[in-house]
Amino acid sequence: QKEVEQDPGPLSVPEGAIVSLNCTYSNSAFQYFMWYRQYSRKGPELLMYTYSSGNKEDGRFTAQVDKSSKYISLFIRDSQPSDSATYLCAMRSRGGYQKVTFGIGTKLQVIP
Amino acid sequence: AAGVIQSPRHLIKEKRETATLKCYPIPRHDTVYWYQQGPGQDPQFLISFYEKMQSDKGSIPDRFSAQQFSDYHSELNMSSLELGDSALYFCASSIRIYEQYFGPGTRLTVT
Repeated sequence: QKEVEQDPGPLSVPEGAIVSLNCTYSNSAFQYFMWYRQYSRKGPELLMYTYSSGNKEDGRFTAQVDKSSKYISLFIRDSQPSDSATYLCAMRSRGGYQKVTFGIGTKLQVIP
Repeated sequence: AAGVIQSPRHLIKEKRETATLKCYPIPRHDTVYWYQQGPGQDPQFLISFYEKMQSDKGSIPDRFSAQQFSDYHSELNMSSLELGDSALYFCASSIRIYEQYFGPGTRLTVT
């Protein structure tokens, strides 16, 4: 079993919909949580970076962390066709220079 | 804003050849990470450097080596290339333990 589980999709939604992307993890040492967006054949682009449980909002994006359930989410409001990409959750332990462990990524398509 | 620079962007090599990938981190970032991403896969951590010293090691084959230089750029050296080494190789940089920013990647094709 992988340390980070993420549904690869694909997920297709109509433009304007609210998108919910999720990851679960098994390593309780993970303390920092990130969401990256990756367009085809491009490098992952950091979207959100959170540490504590709760919600963090940035424009149309909201990241949610529930450490007790080992569950993180990314919500995209008013989705746009330009949001079509693969979304990777990522996380790492506290301290040192810890590597990031990624989920496999969810492929999202927003239909105009 | 300045981003992570990787070169070359595309590289084609034959089996058993050697390849060198270069990474130039964001200015003032002191930590560099290398990842390998196969088709349809998540990025797999290979190795990282902080202040020119290896700080962590992942699933990097013994045929690969890497180092970080005094100007903080890093190079990933890959020898005895195999077909299975064909992948996207990403470099990321950060300030110490904080969030990592990824470069555009080098697409390596081994034929």
